[in-house]
Amino acid sequence: AQSVTQPDIHITVSEGASLELRCNYSYGATPYLFWYVQSPGQGLQLLLKYFSGDTLVQGIKGFEAEFKRSQSSFNLRKPSVHWSDAAEYFCAVGGTGTASKLTFGTGTRLQVTL
Amino acid sequence: GAVVSQHPSWVICKSGTSVKIECRSLDFQATTMFWYRQFPKQSLMLMATSNEGSKATYEQGVEKDKFLINHASLTLSTLTVTSAHPEDSSFYICSAHQGLAGGGGGYEQYFGPGTRLTVT
Repeated sequence: AQSVTQPDIHITVSEGASLELRCNYSYGATPYLFWYVQSPGQGLQLLLKYFSGDTLVQGIKGFEAEFKRSQSSFNLRKPSVHWSDAAEYFCAVGGTGTASKLTFGTGTRLQVTL
Repeated sequence: GAVVSQHPSWVICKSGTSVKIECRSLDFQATTMFWYRQFPKQSLMLMATSNEGSKATYEQGVEKDKFLINHASLTLSTLTVTSAHPEDSSFYICSAHQGLAGGGGGYEQYFGPGTRLTVT
């Protein structure tokens, strides 16, 4: 069974500081990996995804993530956080196929201090 | 990008009544949609996979007779919570699956904005 672990429930960073959100996955084959962001009371917005190819993927809003197969990780990074980045971040794993289900991690709540 | 809408965005109903939530893909066709449930400050839990023209596939522990799913067209899936009780109060989110152009098996799930259900 596929699973996702986000070890950090809550992270606080200062505006302008760098950010790294951790994500570890468990999947029996090559995973499809996603990072989503959710603002309070809202749906999910896709930040970036990895299917194959270059293991460093660029996303929207200045985010990037690196797929490391040997560590079963897909950590999300941003070099300089903005106050508007405060939200809940979810890592998800899915498989191949035309209609693969996604399994989400428990989320990391990001707080940004000014 | 692709847009998914949900209606209503919030609903309050009395215990014992039924409520229907609609999920629409506005600018693409989705043979597969997914329904999730999210409790406050928690992650998304997949309830069921909605397949156009066929029965939904429910996750273990989800009561199929309580959460009725109908995917009648390529752009619309509905979730009906029957005989709602206060414990059904939650945030329900749908998503629509879209394969990416160029093949390779890539895809995305586009999420709706969610529906807040409160059962009194």
